[in-house]
Amino acid sequence: NAGVTQTPKFQVLKTGQSMTLQCAQDMNHEYMSWYRQDPGMGLRLIHYSVGAGITDQGEVPNGYNVSRSTTEDFPLRLLSAAPSQTSVYFCASSRVGLSNTEAFFGQGTRLTVV
Amino acid sequence: TQLLEQSPQFLSIQEGENLTVYCNSSSVFSSLQWYRQEPGEGPVLLVTVVTGGEVKKLKRLTFQFGDARKDSSLHITAAQPGDTGLYLCAGRTYNTDKLIFGTGTRLQVFP
Repeated sequence: NAGVTQTPKFQVLKTGQSMTLQCAQDMNHEYMSWYRQDPGMGLRLIHYSVGAGITDQGEVPNGYNVSRSTTEDFPLRLLSAAPSQTSVYFCASSRVGLSNTEAFFGQGTRLTVV
Repeated sequence: TQLLEQSPQFLSIQEGENLTVYCNSSSVFSSLQWYRQEPGEGPVLLVTVVTGGEVKKLKRLTFQFGDARKDSSLHITAAQPGDTGLYLCAGRTYNTDKLIFGTGTRLQVFP
């Protein structure tokens, strides 16, 4: 049982380049989300989805796009990378509609924008 | 601006000491969770509290949800080096089911 899988684990981009961070889960969870973690800032919510075809913005959505065409996958797209997007990105999934549902996290993608 | 503020931000203590971490917000949440994160890994759930005033114990860790469902605390008794890590509280919002994380508390326990 793989849980939540993120790829790549590490990435270096030049300013202005675009890329997609991949996230896949095999637990049939309706809810998926992307967070970024900067030193001393905890995790900040970028975008989230409560099911296929449904996405919404979190706390820090600017510069990022998402789509949810299947239950399993929730890719995060950086349209034009900026040094301020240097961070560690985590994808998470959970069941929806239960206040005590556990969020399962991937191992993270460490992104550096130069 | 994060909705959940944790204090202290850093805590460095000797093995055997007790400590309390606080998680405060002006918002009301349907539930409050505590996660622990190791370097290079994603957060892992420790506990969920759902009812206002609820207290849960997990071995040497005691978690409490405030009566108004806006705040929570984590108390560790007789800390051990294995407790070292980043502790994160997270509140689940009503209606949207968003999980909002706190600012984090980095704990280091020295032998």
